[in-house]
Amino acid sequence: EPEVTQTPSHQVTQMGQEVILRCVPISNHLYFYWYRQILGQKVEFLVSFYNNEISEKSEIFDDQFSVERPDGSNFTLKIRSTKLEDSAMYFCASRLSSGGTYNEQFFGPGTRLTVL
Amino acid sequence: LAKTTQPISMDSYEGQEVNITCSHNNIATNDYITWYQQFPSQGPRFIIQGYKTKVTNEVASLFIPADRKSSTLSLPRVSLSDTAVYYCLVGDRVTGGGNKLTFGTGTQLKVEL
Repeated sequence: EPEVTQTPSHQVTQMGQEVILRCVPISNHLYFYWYRQILGQKVEFLVSFYNNEISEKSEIFDDQFSVERPDGSNFTLKIRSTKLEDSAMYFCASRLSSGGTYNEQFFGPGTRLTVL
Repeated sequence: LAKTTQPISMDSYEGQEVNITCSHNNIATNDYITWYQQFPSQGPRFIIQGYKTKVTNEVASLFIPADRKSSTLSLPRVSLSDTAVYYCLVGDRVTGGGNKLTFGTGTQLKVEL
């Protein structure tokens, strides 16, 4: 069964450093998402991406964050200058298409980001 | 966006049927009801979705009354591996891109022997 993959599974970085979290969505999916979950808290939406551009972003997704689909398979989340409060589990998700019904999103296993 | 309310936690034993009810009094005409499951340190996983009446798949059943102001996720004969957080989400039809998921705090289900 196809699945969303994410690398690395755990990333430790120093405050102020840049990090890039990588995701490989399911191959025929068209919509891509990043969510994060701070330990013990809710899963929060960060950004959605379709047709090579951001379609929606949350207040969390400020200028320090960016997303990119550099090729036909990868989808990346970059945090330019990490802060302590960026420590969280980051989930990538993908969805097949839009229209008609509320489609199922497939989540990856997550990257645990620890900012020291 | 319709607000959802569900119990913070539930306990059960192996082999029992578990029913988790979610209230969504302000559900809109175009809203669908979707349930996700999340195991510790894993991403959420879609379980079931419905609009009205009853939907059943190999994992669960979803009961939605006529007024659609609540819904009940039913897990038949739970096992230890069903211990997880269960989220009820209410969202409108997709008319274009986006379609973000808005998660609440969910219901922590704990299944014991």
